[in-house]
Amino acid sequence: SQQGEEDPQALSIQEGENATMNCSYKTSINNLQWYRQNSGRGLVHLILIRSNEREKHSGRLRVTLDTSKKSSSLLITASRAADTASYFCATVTGGTSYGKLTFGQGTILTVHP
Amino acid sequence: DVKVTQSSRYLVKRTGEKVFLECVQDMDHENMFWYRQDPGLGLRLIYFSYDVKMKEKGDIPEGYSVSREKKERFSLILESASTNQTSMYLCASSPMGTSWANEQFFGPGTRLTVL
Repeated sequence: SQQGEEDPQALSIQEGENATMNCSYKTSINNLQWYRQNSGRGLVHLILIRSNEREKHSGRLRVTLDTSKKSSSLLITASRAADTASYFCATVTGGTSYGKLTFGQGTILTVHP
Repeated sequence: DVKVTQSSRYLVKRTGEKVFLECVQDMDHENMFWYRQDPGLGLRLIYFSYDVKMKEKGDIPEGYSVSREKKERFSLILESASTNQTSMYLCASSPMGTSWANEQFFGPGTRLTVL
């Protein structure tokens, strides 16, 4: 089964609204990463949060991590139509430096102009 | 900017054919990865490589093999393509980190259809 599970599976909002996506995972992690995928394209890295961090910001993105609940959330503020994409969380476990990621199934975000 | 390129965006092959998917990265990254992406299943790791001629099985290696003869190039091989290998294939690379993994840089993907 997938290490990361995103919720909701799909989200539809109006431009200007905030979008929140959640990710839950099962085992202890080294770090958690969020990626965006535009339709039919490759993934683009958005943000990485380490297991000893609780919150991280990057532009309009805010990521939180609660290791006690084994969950993370991605908040996109003041959304734009260009934010329409699929968003994936990915976890890194273990002690290697290989960077092996385990992805969730993703949240499909649609932002209506 | 890191660039990861894949040899084809779309590929159509017949059952039983040998299929090569090529991936090249230009940032001297040590690690390279092959994933497949299917609706409802997300991305699943097929194989990865952390050095030239080194390879490790991922979560779903059956029916696939890989080759890494040069640092910048990582090939995925379907020895005898089957219809259940119809999927989007994504290649990624990342630099060797410490115990904290770095972000991965993805190619645009190859949508493979096996008839």
